[in-house]
Amino acid sequence: DQQVKQNSPSLSVQEGRISILNCDYTNSMFDYFLWYKKYPAEGPTFLISISSIKDKNEDGRFTVFLNKSAKHLSLHIVPSQPGDSAVYFCAASAYNTDKLIFGTGTRLQVFP
Amino acid sequence: DTEVTQTPKHLVMGMTNKKSLKCEQHMGHRAMYWYKQKAKKPPELMFVYSYEKLSINESVPSRFSPECPNSSLLNLHLHALQPEDSALYLCASSQQPGLQNNEQFFGPGTRLTVL
Repeated sequence: DQQVKQNSPSLSVQEGRISILNCDYTNSMFDYFLWYKKYPAEGPTFLISISSIKDKNEDGRFTVFLNKSAKHLSLHIVPSQPGDSAVYFCAASAYNTDKLIFGTGTRLQVFP
Repeated sequence: DTEVTQTPKHLVMGMTNKKSLKCEQHMGHRAMYWYKQKAKKPPELMFVYSYEKLSINESVPSRFSPECPNSSLLNLHLHALQPEDSALYLCASSQQPGLQNNEQFFGPGTRLTVL
């Protein structure tokens, strides 16, 4: 049972445009959500997170939106850059646990 | 020092070998984790150490044996592995167990191949 799902395995975006990566979850106990970026042969790199008490968090070019009623979150990258090309994982955790549940990942390619 | 280091980077072992993976962080983090990642799959949690004590074991087979000698080090001892155990093994750490805003920081991983 996949509790965190990323239904788009890949996304291709032109440089300078917006990239939107989506993530859905099923467990209503999740209250903290994170996005990680992963290059081949490297560990995931933390990008941005959001608590369930918020619906938006912004850090530079990255913004995460959370819609609790729909159990959906999204990561917006604007403007997209070629260096953003990587696999993006969303992850979720429930209150007072140290378990991160990862989604299946979306491969983003930003082309010139 | 703001990184998690892992050694070795690559490891090839036979099914009768005993080997160990090592992980180190000097950020003062008190929670450390082992994950396993197969190709084209998300990382899957194996073990969590909180304040140097094993707090979560995700029903991992006993051929994987974790050890936390001190707050900066985490080992994963491997014995009698199977070819299906071949994967990228990731170590992570976070500031304090049980916090909500508890971002985990990952090392580069050890690519393990079992022959």
